[in-house]
Amino acid sequence: EAGVAQSPRYKIIEKRQSVAFWCNPISGHATLYWYQQILGQGPKLLIQFQNNGVVDDSQLPKDRFSAERLKGVDSTLKIQPAKLEDSAVYLCASSLGPRGRGNTIYFGEGSWLTVV
Amino acid sequence: KQEVTQIPAALSVPEGENLVLNCSFTDSAIYNLQWFRQDPGKGLTSLLLIQSSQREQTSGRLNASLDKSSGRSTLYIAASQPGDSATYLCAGITNAGKSTFGDGTTLTVKP
Repeated sequence: EAGVAQSPRYKIIEKRQSVAFWCNPISGHATLYWYQQILGQGPKLLIQFQNNGVVDDSQLPKDRFSAERLKGVDSTLKIQPAKLEDSAVYLCASSLGPRGRGNTIYFGEGSWLTVV
Repeated sequence: KQEVTQIPAALSVPEGENLVLNCSFTDSAIYNLQWFRQDPGKGLTSLLLIQSSQREQTSGRLNASLDKSSGRSTLYIAASQPGDSATYLCAGITNAGKSTFGDGTTLTVKP
């Protein structure tokens, strides 16, 4: 079974530029998550989708971050304009659904962003 | 608001030792508790998931327990090996699938 795919793996941009990350979840997984992980910290949830609807985006800085999940499968996370403090790993994850064993969350390898 | 704490932040043990990693959470209304492993430069790998109706789960040398009443979970690693060196994170997951992570415990197992 293929895992969660993310691209690009690494990105270096200047502040005020824009960047987009792509995620393809495990086939059949209805729930998709984007997390931000700063070095030395645990992942922080940015946004959670159930199929193509947003379940939770309370910690998404909506003035600069946006995310969409087209047709309930792939998702993109965009940052525009980027700030220095956005330097982090952006992790995509998926799960079958919100209940019971379907809650097991599977992660991709992450997209490493450096803003200079 | 759920808060998850992992103590200690770092742990170093000699090979072969049995060890326990701790995870505390403030909201007992979690639905699941999941333990992950993260190697440097990698994503998170799921180790064990304990549902709220369970008290523990085992996989090989790993055993995770959950005590919702006290807001605690532990991950027990038996006969540690250098390959176990990594950061271990726990996450409390609500019925709606919302997850809150701790900052992890970085484990070093010395040969």
